[in-house]
Amino acid sequence: DIQMTQSPSSLSASVGDRVIITCRASQNINTYLNWYQQKPGKAPNLLIYAASSLQSGVPSRFSGSGSGTDFTLTISSLQPEDFATYYCQQTYNIPFTFGPGTKVDIK
Amino acid sequence: QLQLQESGPGLVKPSETLSLTCTVSGGSINSGDYYWGWIRQPPGKGLEWIGNIYYGERTYYNPSLKRRVSISTDTSKNQFSLKLTSVTAADTAMYYCARTFSDRYQVDYWGQGTQVTVSS
Repeated sequence: DIQMTQSPSSLSASVGDRVIITCRASQNINTYLNWYQQKPGKAPNLLIYAASSLQSGVPSRFSGSGSGTDFTLTISSLQPEDFATYYCQQTYNIPFTFGPGTKVDIK
Repeated sequence: QLQLQESGPGLVKPSETLSLTCTVSGGSINSGDYYWGWIRQPPGKGLEWIGNIYYGERTYYNPSLKRRVSISTDTSKNQFSLKLTSVTAADTAMYYCARTFSDRYQVDYWGQGTQVTVSS
């Protein structure tokens, strides 16, 4: 299985901050990398697919980059509704695997 | 607007079979652009991909569950289902049904989730 790691595991930030979350795959996954946001008690929501493509309806303050094994999710200016847990997912090989998540909370 | 809704027992006894159904509205599960499947999340933990079905026939499962899992469709009801046999407490989780787009296999629609507890 391809192992996914994320850093940091949690972070505290203020509204308006620029936030960067990193995701690393245990082997080359090209750009088969997706990002999801999950709020407590809710299903995850797709933010970014194919490493850098913004899902329809997602605010443009979210962006993704990377290829191969190293990827980043950037929130350019954190908004109150962005406090949540973020997961990366590789879809290069079955089983599709998720990172352990990064929890973003209020400083 | 596409909607997915899980249904099934919230409590299953150890060694028995977990059975869940996902009813899809606002779109057909017969579309060749999409896979339909299940993802679970144990309490307080991360996400685990269970498997997908494509065109009602081709199935793809997580090898860690492969001996126990099956996914099937009922196109007449626009539903797909999950069966997980020989459950243990480790199968206690929130179970989400999901639509996966065949582009990069991104999950673009999720059900709201249904909590399943394995306990006697």
